[in-house]
Amino acid sequence: AQRVTQPEKLLSVFKGAPVELKCNYSYSGSPELFWYVQYSRQRLQLLLRHISRESIKGFTADLNKGETSFHLKKPFAQEEDSAMYYCALSNSGGSNYKLTFGKGTLLTVNP
Amino acid sequence: EAGVAQSPRYKIIEKRQSVAFWCNPISGHATLYWYQQILGQGPKLLIQFQNNGVVDDSQLPKDRFSAERLKGVDSTLKIQPAKLEDSAVYLCASSLGGVTGELFFGEGSRLTVL
Repeated sequence: AQRVTQPEKLLSVFKGAPVELKCNYSYSGSPELFWYVQYSRQRLQLLLRHISRESIKGFTADLNKGETSFHLKKPFAQEEDSAMYYCALSNSGGSNYKLTFGKGTLLTVNP
Repeated sequence: EAGVAQSPRYKIIEKRQSVAFWCNPISGHATLYWYQQILGQGPKLLIQFQNNGVVDDSQLPKDRFSAERLKGVDSTLKIQPAKLEDSAVYLCASSLGGVTGELFFGEGSRLTVL
């Protein structure tokens, strides 16, 4: 079974401070990990995926297979980063592509 | 590019009544998903279609929930009879399929069961 754990329901930081949203996973195969984000009054959307090794809006995430983690980081948080963030795990099963989501972390960046 | 369309946006019903939600995916997307998101939780997959065939419905409460995707395009999700615990946002998503990982979500249909 695949499982995603986001230990923090709420995270509050000040503008300019570093931010780290934690994500741990459980999966017996080779995982593919993603971060999805939902801004206020907007749809849930993809932020980044580990296979792309990209930085989106200043965010990065590194897959650590030893610690089974995929934490999302940004060195200097901005107010517009305030949103709900979901870590997600895929079974990478070809056409049977299925995403399992964590419960989410609500990030608030204070001015 | 038009996004995933869902209707209705909001629905309030009494327990034991029935309700149906409709989803129109992005044109050309073969895979369609219905997720249930209860307040304070992440989205939970209910059913996944590949074209008009069901790929995964292992978490769909089949005694009361049903879904179909006729002609491999639009989809409907029905609940009959509804229970209080069905109060949630029902999210429809679509993707091209394969291992790209990007699901495109609709705005969701918020159901309140009284």
